[in-house]
Amino acid sequence: SQTIHQWPATLVQPVGSPLSLECTVEGTSNPNLYWYRQAAGRGLQLLFYSVGIGQISSEVPQNLSASRPQDRQFILSSKKLLLSDSGFYLCAWSPIREQFFGPGTRLTVL
Amino acid sequence: AQSVTQLDSHVSVSEGTPVLLRCNYSSSYSPSLFWYVQHPNKGLQLLLKYTSAATLVKGINGFEAEFKKSETSFHLTKPSAHMSDAAEYFCVVSDNFGNEKLTFGTGTRLTIIP
Repeated sequence: SQTIHQWPATLVQPVGSPLSLECTVEGTSNPNLYWYRQAAGRGLQLLFYSVGIGQISSEVPQNLSASRPQDRQFILSSKKLLLSDSGFYLCAWSPIREQFFGPGTRLTVL
Repeated sequence: AQSVTQLDSHVSVSEGTPVLLRCNYSSSYSPSLFWYVQHPNKGLQLLLKYTSAATLVKGINGFEAEFKKSETSFHLTKPSAHMSDAAEYFCVVSDNFGNEKLTFGTGTRLTIIP
């Protein structure tokens, strides 16, 4: 069966520091991969999606970036965090139609 | 373009009474529709999905939803609420164009009154 992992589960970072969140999927190959952000009390905002290694599409201009160095690995990064980057970050993978979500990373920027 | 409107940001029901969470969608093409549930500080779990087969869809935990094209609605229902149903619920639409991009509603927080 397929599983999706995210780490870390929680993270507290100062403004201006770098960020690296990792997502990996097991039990499948060539999945579509997605990064979402959920701000407090709001819905999910699609940040990036990837249909293959090295293929990244950005949905919202911001100071975040994403990379897919391996088939089942998706990384969300920032060189300098802003206060507004705080939120709950969710990774998801898709075989076809529906998406399956990881447990999420709670990021607090102070 | 596609969009989803969840008509209620917060719904409260008593335990054992019916649940109705409303969702209306807009899509230029024949959409796929989903309901996801999120418990506090957890990821999202798929409750059920509609993908152009039967219009009445049954999901996990006793939930079901009916796709009504004429009303552009996909309301989520459950005959009898349980305390464990307290969570945030998201109605979601997909454009079915291969990249599987989902558009999420803003969510409905369901509170169950003992």
